[in-house]
This record gives sequence, C-alpha cells and structure tokens, in this order.
Amino acid sequence: GAVVSQHPSRVICKSGTSVKIECRSLDFQATTMFWYRQFPKQSLMLMATSNEGSKATYEQGVEKDKFLINHASLTLSTLTVTSAHPEDSSFYICSARDPAWGQTVFGPGTRLTVL
Amino acid sequence: GESVGLHLPTLSVQEGDNSIINCAYSNSASDYFIWYKQESGKGPQFIIDIRSNMDKRQGQRVTVLLNKTVKHLSLQIAATQPGDSAVYFCAENPPGANSKLTFGKGITLSVRP
Repeated sequence: GAVVSQHPSRVICKSGTSVKIECRSLDFQATTMFWYRQFPKQSLMLMATSNEGSKATYEQGVEKDKFLINHASLTLSTLTVTSAHPEDSSFYICSARDPAWGQTVFGPGTRLTVL
Repeated sequence: GESVGLHLPTLSVQEGDNSIINCAYSNSASDYFIWYKQESGKGPQFIIDIRSNMDKRQGQRVTVLLNKTVKHLSLQIAATQPGDSAVYFCAENPPGANSKLTFGKGITLSVRP
C-alpha cells in the first residue's frame, strides 16, 4: 500500500536553532501534503497545506515565517521550524492523499524536543 | 477546537468483549468520515471509512455507523484484542477538491487481559 515516510523520527535541538523535517511519499506522487502538530494527549491539529510548486496555505494562528514549508517535488515536502523554542516541542505528522487509493496516508511522525 | 490541558477520555474493555467508540462531528456538510488508530509514538493508521450516503459499513472485526441526523459516528470493534489498545480518532472531510480533514478529540481504548 501507499507509504509516507518522515525524517528524522526524533530530534533534540537547542533553543534558537532551526530544525528541518522531511516528508516523502514513497510510491506515489502527491501534489498536496499536509502538516499536523500533536501535543501530548491531544488530537492532531492541522498547521498547513503544502502545495507542490506554489506557496503553502497556513491555518489560522500558525506563523508562516516560523514554520517554513517547501514542496519542491511531487514526493517531498519539508517543514522547517525556525528559531525553535521549548513550546515548539511536539509531535509533527505529515500526510498525503494517494490518488490511486483515494485515502489519506499519514507519516510515522517526528518527535521534536527543544531544550 | 481542542481543550488544552484535558486528557483524552479512556474506554476500558475486557479482552474478548466488543468495544464501541463514539464521536460527534461538527460540520453537517461533511460527506466523508474516517476512523484512525494511533499507537503511542506513531502516526495515525486508517481503519475504516464511510461516505454520507451510507449509514453502516463493515470491515474485518470493525463496523462504522453514521447518524447524520445527530452528527454522530461510532466505531464498533468485535472481540477486542490487546493489540487494539490505542488512541482512536474520527475525522470528517467536507466536500470539495481542496477540503481538509478535521480530527475529533480522540479516545484512548485500553484492553484488559
């Protein structure tokens, strides 16, 4: 079946540094990918929609200059958390819709810890 | 929206019993609904889906029921197993090519051996 991967699976960084998270669709092309953030014991909250070849669309309250999204190819979207702070520590999950199956497939998530 | 600081509700069932997980959705225009299972430290996994022109759909050991009148969705798991222990989320998808999934708050299913 369709698979979405994320890299890294977990990252620890110092406050003030930037962290890049990659999301790849392994066996299908995705013109649109989605980025979610999930705090402990809470649901997934959509942060932004990543569009191949154009600007990302951000949800209300999500700072586009802090969470940079680049969808450079049909199989890769990246999320860069700039100047990370401890409150950015969270589980970041991406998803993509497999056009053949019609289902949304989620990546395994990236655990970000900012010290 | 989410309630910061509240823990997910928990449903505890005995192994072998049937589980029923309920969800209330918010958008009456949503025409597609999905149940996801999320194990600790992992991304959500698709379980079963249902479109708004149906009120019941069955899979292997799982059944989804949709009541559009009261905007209610339920997931029934037959003969619950320890491997079913996880957090379960319902998600709704309004119509439209650019529509986005909206997730419910989630319920933790704990299976007692």
